[in-house]
Parts: sequence; structure tokens; C-alpha cells
Amino acid sequence: GQNIDQPTEMTATEGAIVQINCTYQTSGFNGLFWYQQHAGEAPTFLSYNVLDGLEEKGRFSSFLSRSKGYSYLLLKELQMKDSASYLCAPMDSNYQLIWGAGTKLIIKP
Amino acid sequence: GAVVSQHPSWVICKSGTSVKIECRSLDFQATTMFWYRQFPKQSLMLMATSNEGSKATYEQGVEKDKFLINHASLTLSTLTVTSAHPEDSSFYICSASWTGDYNEQFFGPGTRLTVL
Repeated sequence: GQNIDQPTEMTATEGAIVQINCTYQTSGFNGLFWYQQHAGEAPTFLSYNVLDGLEEKGRFSSFLSRSKGYSYLLLKELQMKDSASYLCAPMDSNYQLIWGAGTKLIIKP
Repeated sequence: GAVVSQHPSWVICKSGTSVKIECRSLDFQATTMFWYRQFPKQSLMLMATSNEGSKATYEQGVEKDKFLINHASLTLSTLTVTSAHPEDSSFYICSASWTGDYNEQFFGPGTRLTVL
């Protein structure tokens, strides 16, 4: 079967760094997306990894290890507006995104 | 670029009525559109995938006669919830993709449906 495993909830302090881990199992693999979703809103794109390694994009970085079925999203210099759910979504062989429940990130001052 | 709109943003209707939700790709031609449903604190659930000019492919457990999807053009797909009931109240989100750009899905802002 296909599944995603992420922590349900994480808490971090404003200005700090947080790493959200994701392990996945899919039928085939065409890359992995990270999305941010604020409550009551649709997901917004953060990053895409298809090859192993780290992709850096401003305060956000994403890492992928295909052999381990593992990815993480690293958020630096946390701001209050980063409080949201973070969704790890690998794309399977049919180019469909596989969704988990995401990780709710709570930022405290 | 790559903007997807949905209309309406929210809708309240009476039980038994039908509701139509539109999804438009504003600045690109979407070869594929996806319809999702999300209940509070749950993951996105794919309902169906549609390609322009062809019938939608529904996920297991999604009633095709209840959730009618029409993908009439490369920029417009509609979802009609027929004979809506309170249990259909949810957040409906569409996304659109094209074959380039690693098949990224661009999401609409979502439609909040409340059935009384």
C-alpha cells in the first residue's frame, strides 16, 4: 500500500529552526512535494525534490533520500506566520500525489 | 503565474439541493484537474481526476452519480454535488496541472460547502 508518516504536531519557538520528517511508501516515485496549509485555506507549494539531496529556498530547505523513502523540511528563522500544517506529498507512478494528514506546526513567541 | 481560481469561495445550501463549484486555471492550460475533499483536521482526499474532454476517473468510494465532474475545456472544470446532504459539508479543493514543470499541481483557494 501507499502511506505517509509524519509527526502529527510539533511546537517550536519564534526565531528557531525546526525539522519536519516524513517517511513514505509509494507505488513508483516521481518526486516529492512539500506544501504549507493554513487552517481553512488550500495548500500552497513550498518545494519539490526528485533527486537525492538538499534543495534550499530561502528560509525553507527540503531533503530527499529515495533509497530510504525519507524526506525532511527544514524551516529556519521561524516566524509566527509559519504556524500551519506542513504536508509531505510524494507523487506515485501515475503522477498522483499521496497525502497524509500533515504536521501541525505551532510557533510560540 | 499558474493561478487557479474557484468559485464560489463558500456556499450554504439546503439538504436535497445541488451545488456547482467551478475551477479555472487562469493563466495556463490544464491538461489534468483534480478534485479533493478535506474534512477538519484530516488529510486531503482525492475524489477524482479529470482530463479535458474525457470522463473523470473517480477514486474508490466516491459516487460518480453524486459528484458530477465536467472538464469542458483546458481551463475549466466543474464539480456538481447533487442532492447534497449535511454529511457532504466539507472543504472542496481543486488543483490543476500540465505535463511540463514536473506535473506540479496548482491549487485553487477551495470552496467551503455547508449543507443545512
